[in-house]
Amino acid sequence: DSGVTQTPKHLITATGQRVTLRCSPRSGDLSVYWYQQSLDQGLQFLIQYYNGEERAKGNILERFSAQQFPDLHSELNLSSLELGDSALYFCASSVEGGRNTQYFGPGTRLTVL
Amino acid sequence: GESVGLHLPTLSVQEGDNSIINCAYSNSASDYFIWYKQESGKGPQFIIDIRSNMDKRQGQRVTVLLNKTVKHLSLQIAATQPGDSAVYFCAEAQGAQKLVFGQGTRLTINP
Repeated sequence: DSGVTQTPKHLITATGQRVTLRCSPRSGDLSVYWYQQSLDQGLQFLIQYYNGEERAKGNILERFSAQQFPDLHSELNLSSLELGDSALYFCASSVEGGRNTQYFGPGTRLTVL
Repeated sequence: GESVGLHLPTLSVQEGDNSIINCAYSNSASDYFIWYKQESGKGPQFIIDIRSNMDKRQGQRVTVLLNKTVKHLSLQIAATQPGDSAVYFCAEAQGAQKLVFGQGTRLTINP
């Protein structure tokens, strides 16, 4: 158990809908990272937050957004969902940013029908 | 652009044998590397890391070797066990904010 929690574990929804994925980092970690993992793409970095502020952006679509709250938990919002958004979404946390080891949560499996 | 890749997508070894998983990186400025293990249905799990001022680091049954001359990273697992079956990712720290992951190697342990 990495100490990172994610909810829900599974999510099934329809195209055009909007969903919110939630992540609680390890106690004491200030940075949260979001990744998307699909069969043909490997682990793709989406976005990083550090202590409530956006720190880095990766291949995140404009239909996706995220935020980190004062209690350091984070939410990833996915809107206007498409079939291709079906994937595993992982959250990771680290003590700070940069070259600190990232610890991953169990992931949320999103299926868009 | 910069990338982190793996030489082999799959690797099968006999239980009890040693296994070696390889990774090539292209950014000579990268100075931090991590190996993760991902079991089916689970998130990536940190195994071991190494900084570029080292060429070898050992953990419990695992050793990471770094060859900066040829930009090559390897993970050695000693006396493999069925529980070692998983996908192994190397990741490279580029800049200060994010890791770049390779595509992964699936390790299968044969009884």
